[in-house]
Amino acid sequence: EAGVAQSPRYKIIEKRQSVAFWCNPISGHATLYWYQQILGQGPKLLIQFQNNGVVDDSQLPKDRFSAERLKGVDSTLKIQPAKLEDSAVYLCASSPNTGELFFGEGSRLTVL
Amino acid sequence: QKEVEQNSGPLSVPEGAIASLNCTYSDRGSQSFFWYRQYSGKSPELIMSIYSNGDKEDGRFTAQLNKASQYVSLLIRDSQPSDSATYLCAVRNTGRRALTFGSGTRLQVQP
Repeated sequence: EAGVAQSPRYKIIEKRQSVAFWCNPISGHATLYWYQQILGQGPKLLIQFQNNGVVDDSQLPKDRFSAERLKGVDSTLKIQPAKLEDSAVYLCASSPNTGELFFGEGSRLTVL
Repeated sequence: QKEVEQNSGPLSVPEGAIASLNCTYSDRGSQSFFWYRQYSGKSPELIMSIYSNGDKEDGRFTAQLNKASQYVSLLIRDSQPSDSATYLCAVRNTGRRALTFGSGTRLQVQP
């Protein structure tokens, strides 16, 4: 079974530029999550989708971050404009009804 | 108070010893508890889940849950150098499907 796919794996941008990350969850998983993991910290939830509807985006900095999940499958997370403190690994995860989360390899963002 | 607290470590144990990793959580209504392992530069990987009080064993790993004390732990028997990683405790809070993670405990197994 294919795992969660993410791209790009690495991205370096300057502050105030924009960036987009893509995620394709495990087939059949209705729930998709984006987490932000800053070095030395645990993953922090940014947004949760159930099919193509948003369930929880309470911790998403909506002035600069946006996310969508079209047709209930792939998802895109965008940051515009980026700040230095956005440097982190952006992890996409999906889960079946049993509730365990399965993570992709992550997208590492460096903002200069 | 953090929702999920872990000692950041590093916890250093000799090869073959038992490593004990601990986690406390603040939401008394939490229902599901998970341990993830994260190697440096890699994404978190699920090791175990536990939902009811008591012990749950899977190979060299044992998860322990005490809801009255709001405490969950992970024991790793016969620790190997390949177990050296950061171990993340995750909790599913009441009414939410997403997991809340602790900051992780770094484990070092010395050969």
